Amino acid sequence: GAVVSQHPSWVICKSGTSVKIECRSLDFQATTMFWYRQFPKQSLMLMATSNEGSKATYEQGVEKDKFLINHASLTLSTLTVTSAHPEDSSFYICSARGAGQGVRNEQFFGPGTRLTVL
Amino acid sequence: AQSVAQPEDQVNVAEGNPLTVKCTYSVSGNPYLFWYVQYPNRGLQFLLKYITGDNLVKGSYGFEAEFNKSQTSFHLKKPSALVSDSALYFCAVRPPNTDKLIFGTGTRLQVFP
Repeated sequence: GAVVSQHPSWVICKSGTSVKIECRSLDFQATTMFWYRQFPKQSLMLMATSNEGSKATYEQGVEKDKFLINHASLTLSTLTVTSAHPEDSSFYICSARGAGQGVRNEQFFGPGTRLTVL
Repeated sequence: AQSVAQPEDQVNVAEGNPLTVKCTYSVSGNPYLFWYVQYPNRGLQFLLKYITGDNLVKGSYGFEAEFNKSQTSFHLKKPSALVSDSALYFCAVRPPNTDKLIFGTGTRLQVFP
């Protein structure tokens, strides 16, 4: 149980285009989803926290107009990188926390999406 | 500032030997503590967690971790390492009354045959 998927697993795009990444909780309802960014050989940096039906809370230094997050349902959150540039190339990982007793205390992570902007 | 430290960038151990991956934290109150493992180009897999109770926590794949409140440490251990344990390991802390996880910088474990 507690499976989180991400789509796509990798994407290559041209500079200036927008890319949407989906994060789904497959077998539980995720009241909270998190988006992280991981640079090569570095730790995960939290970008934003999103609660279903409300606006995302962004961490300091993360541009909310560039990284659009939508959490429209209890099983789906999306991250859209708008007007992507090469410096946005990174590994993006989402995680989800459930509302039920069994999954209350930990985040379950998706497999990640590798974005390469040419 | 709240932080998590993993002092070793890499740990090398021979297969069959015990392994320890260190983690210390600086967080007020009683945080939840986690260990995750990451294989190349993959997301994080949950290994184990400490919330309360017994200081020795047993997790997946034979791993365990010992919580030491006085030393604010949560070291990951395994009695007998396998080559397949080679991966990147992250310690994480969830401060009280928050949803956020604070990650350490990760420790690469290399198990040699």
